Amino acid sequence: SQQGEEDPQALSIQEGENATMNCSYKTSINNLQWYRQNSGRGLVHLILIRSNEREKHSGRLRVTLDTSKKSSSLLITASRAADTASYFCATAGRASGSARQLTFGSGTQLTVLP
Amino acid sequence: DTAVSQTPKYLVTQMGNDKSIKCEQNLGHDTMYWYKQDSKKFLKIMFSYNNKELIINETVPNRFSPKSPDKAHLNLHINSLELGDSAVYFCASSQGSSGGAGELFFGEGSRLTVL
Repeated sequence: SQQGEEDPQALSIQEGENATMNCSYKTSINNLQWYRQNSGRGLVHLILIRSNEREKHSGRLRVTLDTSKKSSSLLITASRAADTASYFCATAGRASGSARQLTFGSGTQLTVLP
Repeated sequence: DTAVSQTPKYLVTQMGNDKSIKCEQNLGHDTMYWYKQDSKKFLKIMFSYNNKELIINETVPNRFSPKSPDKAHLNLHINSLELGDSAVYFCASSQGSSGGAGELFFGEGSRLTVL
């Protein structure tokens, strides 16, 4: 079953603005990951945040995790046209048997206008 | 030096045919996966192999049969193709870790169109 859901489904911003995408999930997790998918390409890993972490940075990316609300957000600062892509959150469960399985959300399509 | 490579990239075939998609990873990872992405971009896991052994087999028709000849290869064979099998199929690999799935490395995808 689908674990995560991203919000919004689509986001359109001007170059230079910040973009924020949210992800909600349903069950306890071991870690949460964000991926980017350019049109017609495979998914590329961006960042992993563990369940005992609250915030993580990587370049222009900032990820937060609130396990009490079962939600995460991805912030891209000073966006560029090249950031145009679909962004997915994925969760790794805690339950036995689910540890090695990543369950993906439905994705947010980000469009950065030049 | 592509990390995860899958072939073919595009596959157009008639209903009822049998087809295969091949995947190879040169990262030395011990776990490989097949995911299916539908037209709405929803990504669903199909199979996972760890060191050539099947560890995840989601509810997938038995027309789909994965084969792992060694831990660097995971092929997907599909029998009696149906219209609903049209999708993009992604191969991925990861290095096992104790506590949760690690980072996945994806191939570029194989777009299957069944006519």
